[in-house]
Amino acid sequence: GAGVSQTPSNKVTEKGKYVELRCDPISGHTALYWYRQSLGQGPEFLIYFQGTGAADDSGLPNDRFFAVRPEGSVSTLKIQRTERGDSAVYLCASSLGGSDTQYFGPGTRLTVL
Amino acid sequence: QKEVEQDPGPLSVPEGAIVSLNCTYSNSAFQYFMWYRQYSRKGPELLMYTYSSGNKEDGRFTAQVDKSSKYISLFIRDSQPSDSATYLCAMRNIQGAQKLVFGQGTRLTINP
Repeated sequence: GAGVSQTPSNKVTEKGKYVELRCDPISGHTALYWYRQSLGQGPEFLIYFQGTGAADDSGLPNDRFFAVRPEGSVSTLKIQRTERGDSAVYLCASSLGGSDTQYFGPGTRLTVL
Repeated sequence: QKEVEQDPGPLSVPEGAIVSLNCTYSNSAFQYFMWYRQYSRKGPELLMYTYSSGNKEDGRFTAQVDKSSKYISLFIRDSQPSDSATYLCAMRNIQGAQKLVFGQGTRLTINP
C-alpha cells in the first residue's frame, strides 16, 4: 500500500517568505507527527495530531510555525517569515493510533536563502 | 546535555563484520526503544522495536536494552554493503507524550 507522502520534495525560498509543507498520511492512520531534521542531526519532534486536533505542540520552536489537519487526514505545516535557521528536512510520520509504530515519509527539504 | 546520546561516527567496517551501534539516555521514563535506518535523502525506516529491557532478534539484527544502565544497542551480523546508512536510535515514554526522542544518528559504511 501507499506510504506517507510529502510535497514538495524540495522547497527553496527567500528569507521572510511564507511556506506550506504538505503531508498525506497512510490511509486509516489517526495519528500524525511532524519532525524537523537538521543536517547531521536526528529528527526533532515538532507537533502531534490525534485526529483533527493537535494533542501535543510542545516542539514548535516559536509562533512562526503552525500546523493544521482540518479533516483528520492531510496535514499542512505552515512557516511564516522564514529565517535561514529554518533550513532543514521536515519529516512527517503517521501511525494507526497514538501508541503504534510511526511510519515516516521521505521529507521536504527546505532551504531558506 | 541531550536526553539521548549517540556517537555520530562515521563508522566504516568490511563486509561480513559484526557491527555494534549504541545509545545512552538520561530519562528513566523511557520504556519503548526503537532503531531506525535512514538512507541518504530518504525518511527513517523502522528496523527494531523493543519494550522495556531485554533482547530482540530479527534476522541479522539484534536489539538489546539495558534499562539499569540506560544503554541500548543494535548488532548487525554478516554486514552487507546494502546496510550502509545512518542508524538512528529513538525512544519514548509509556504515557502521555507520543513523541519520539532521537539520537544524533551513526553513519555506517560497509566496504565490499
